[in-house]
Amino acid sequence: AQSVTQLGSHVSVSEGALVLLRCNYSSSVPPYLFWYVQYPNQGLQLLLKYTTGATLVKGINGFEAEFKKSETSFHLTKPSAHMSDAAEYFCAVSRYNQGGKLIFGQGTELSVKP
Amino acid sequence: EAQVTQNPRYLITVTGKKLTVTCSQNMNHEYMSWYRQDPGLGLRQIYYSMNVEVTDKGDVPEGYKVSRKEKRNFPLILESPSPNQTSLYFCASSDWTSGRDPYEQYFGPGTRLTVT
Repeated sequence: AQSVTQLGSHVSVSEGALVLLRCNYSSSVPPYLFWYVQYPNQGLQLLLKYTTGATLVKGINGFEAEFKKSETSFHLTKPSAHMSDAAEYFCAVSRYNQGGKLIFGQGTELSVKP
Repeated sequence: EAQVTQNPRYLITVTGKKLTVTCSQNMNHEYMSWYRQDPGLGLRQIYYSMNVEVTDKGDVPEGYKVSRKEKRNFPLILESPSPNQTSLYFCASSDWTSGRDPYEQYFGPGTRLTVT
């Protein structure tokens, strides 16, 4: 069975600092990987996704993530945090033979200090 | 505008009073699903539908029903709600059969349900 683990339910950074949100997955076959962002009182917005090809994936708002098969990881990074990045972030995995089903991690709440 | 809509956005009800949360998408997507979001647990799939008249259980189906009579609509039914169903609910859809971009799911804005 697939699972997704996000390390740290809450991450706090200063404005301008590096953002690193960790995600590890378990899957018996190569997965498809996603990061979603949820701003307060809003739905989920896709930040970026990895399906095939280049393992470094760039998304919206300056975020990127690297698929590392050997480490079963898909960590999300942003070089310089902005106050508007404060939100909850979810890592998710899907597999080709499961249609569109997403397995989500527990979520990481990102706080950005001025 | 391509979107998934849910109604109502907020609902407070009492134990045992049947309710329906509607979900509609205007993208002609075959795949639709319902998730619930709980603190510390992320989102978990309740039910999904691969196409009209085809539905199946997700990971946490107990206490819920769904129907898919039309392609665009996928209502979530709680026949006898209980306090442990207090949660934030999301409907989602995807175009998984097209082969173009099958795994991007489009989410509705969410329905916050409180059962007292």
